[in-house]
Amino acid sequence: DIVMTQSPDSLAVSLGERATINCKSSQSVLYRSNKKNYLAWYQQKPGQPPKLLTYWASAREPGVPDRFSGSGSGRDFTLTISSLQADDVAVYYCHQYYSDPRTFGQGTNVEIK
Amino acid sequence: QVQLVQSGAEVKKPGASVKVSCKASGYTFTTYFIHWVRQAPGQRLEWLGWINPGNGNTKYSQKFQGRVTFTKDTSASTAYMELSSLTSEDTAGYFCAREVGWSHFDYWGQGTLVTVSS
Repeated sequence: DIVMTQSPDSLAVSLGERATINCKSSQSVLYRSNKKNYLAWYQQKPGQPPKLLTYWASAREPGVPDRFSGSGSGRDFTLTISSLQADDVAVYYCHQYYSDPRTFGQGTNVEIK
Repeated sequence: QVQLVQSGAEVKKPGASVKVSCKASGYTFTTYFIHWVRQAPGQRLEWLGWINPGNGNTKYSQKFQGRVTFTKDTSASTAYMELSSLTSEDTAGYFCAREVGWSHFDYWGQGTLVTVSS
């Protein structure tokens, strides 16, 4: 199984400041034949299902604010919130869909400092 | 618009089974895989497996193999997840999610809380 490890577990950022969340996979999720990274990021608020933010490591889902951006390749990935808003308080998960079983990171709790 | 609407919360005794439904609307049910994911309190998301509503093929996580069954009713655009031999460790929110090709999950159900308690 591919193990996904996020850092940090928790992050407190001032409004308007940048938040950076890292995700490392135990093996590469880059599929060489199509050069795509099989990695997505989700946001989850209390009592709600996860919401898709980015996929293929860096493609933003339509409707997601452009302050959210995904980057990285191979085993190392980052989700950046360029200017934190109050509505961004949530838990963020990375997710690999390179192989079954699909696996998720342990989550990063983002709050306002 | 695409929607996945799940059945309501359940309370079960240890050893019992639970069946959760996931009704799809706003798209052609048979053209997207449905995955099942659960989340125990304070835990990370955990994948249970998928069903192909087009032909009924399924794949289960090894952890749940033999205890979980996915089915579908194409006429009702509904997928089902049944989990048997429940223990307190199965207390969790259970989500269905639509997969885009072999890819990410773009739509999720609202979740169904299953509580296992004697």
